[in-house]
Parts: sequence; structure tokens; C-alpha cells
Amino acid sequence: DAGVTQSPTHLIKTRGQQVTLRCSPKSGHDTVSWYQQALGQGPQFIFQYYEEEERQRGNFPDRFSGHQFPNYSSELNVNALLLGDSALYLCASSSDGLPSTDTQYFGPGTRLTVL
Amino acid sequence: AQSVSQHNHHVILSEAASLELGCNYSYGGTVNLFWYVQYPGQHLQLLLKYFSGDPLVKGIKGFEAEFIKSKFSFNLRKPSVQWSDTAEYFCAVNTGFQKLVFGTGTRLLVSP
Repeated sequence: DAGVTQSPTHLIKTRGQQVTLRCSPKSGHDTVSWYQQALGQGPQFIFQYYEEEERQRGNFPDRFSGHQFPNYSSELNVNALLLGDSALYLCASSSDGLPSTDTQYFGPGTRLTVL
Repeated sequence: AQSVSQHNHHVILSEAASLELGCNYSYGGTVNLFWYVQYPGQHLQLLLKYFSGDPLVKGIKGFEAEFIKSKFSFNLRKPSVQWSDTAEYFCAVNTGFQKLVFGTGTRLLVSP
């Protein structure tokens, strides 16, 4: 049973560019959440997708957008990259059966460096 | 806004020492609480979780945590740490629909 997978592992971009990160949830999971983990910090919630729609969003600008596909996989897009966007981007999946009590499983993350 | 505070940013222990990592949260409603661990070079893994019932929760690898509602705390404990427990530990609260709010983490270094 494959866990949460993310691609790519590492990515280097320059300021102003755009980036797309990808996530495949754990088998049987239908909800995908994205987090940003800056160096020395805990993960911060970006947004969550369920049934191909953004269900809730954290305190991130509109430059951060996402998508969920019918197979539950998801993409995170960041436009007009800033130096401060350099971070580890984590994807977490869960099942929506019991929204308040289920557990999120995390992928290995994508390390984004913006130069 | 909900927040999670982890008071110890860095902890250094010798093997066999006891461990207690503090975690306090600010949220007035019903919470689900988690401790995640990130071993060097690995992804975040669930250590234990509290949803309801017995406030003393046991997790993997001998870890346990106690939920004290009156103190808004969910401290992590282990009676005897091992070198392999060297990792970063994150406390998190789920305030609804699986949106996790994390603390800043505690780096634990266990010396052999």
C-alpha cells in the first residue's frame, strides 16, 4: 500500500517564476491538504481539497492555488515566486469519512528553493 | 486564531533519561490533538493522537501523552529515551475538517 507520494523531490526556481508541485494521496483517501514548512518552523496550512474543490484555506495569498483531479491527486501552483516562498511543501491525505477525527498522513515533501 | 506553543525548542538528553515535551494550545472548542515526529531525512509520521475518552494516550515506540483540558496542554512523555529517538517533534491541533495547526517543533538530540 503506497503512502502519500510527492514530486518532484527538489526544485530550484528564480524569483518571478511559477511552479507546480504534485501529490498522490494514500490509497483510499479522498482529501488532500497542503502545508508550507519554512526552515525551523512547523508546517503551516495552505489549503485543502475535497471533491475537486478547495474546501478551506489558510492565510496564504492568491498566488498559491491548487487543483484536485478525479483520481484525488492534487497540484499546488505558486505564481510570481518570492524568495520567501523557499520552503518544504508537504502534502497530507486523509479520508473524509469522519472529518474531525481522521488522521492525516504526510508525504516526504518537495523542497523548493527560490533564488 | 488557534495557536500551538511548544516551549522547548531544543532538548539534549542522554540515553535512558526521561523525556517530557510541553505543548499548549489556544482554542476554546473541541479539539483533536496530535504529536508528529520527523526523523532525520524522513517525512512526518504520526506518533499518537487524542480524540476523546481516556486523556492518557499511548503511541508508538513507548511514547505517551496526557491531555489536560483545564491547562490546555498535551505534553509528550517517554520514560527512557534511546539514541534512535533523535528527531524533531511537532504538536498539532485539529480544529475541524482536518486543518492542522502546528507548533514550531522541538528538536531532540539523544546522546549515546
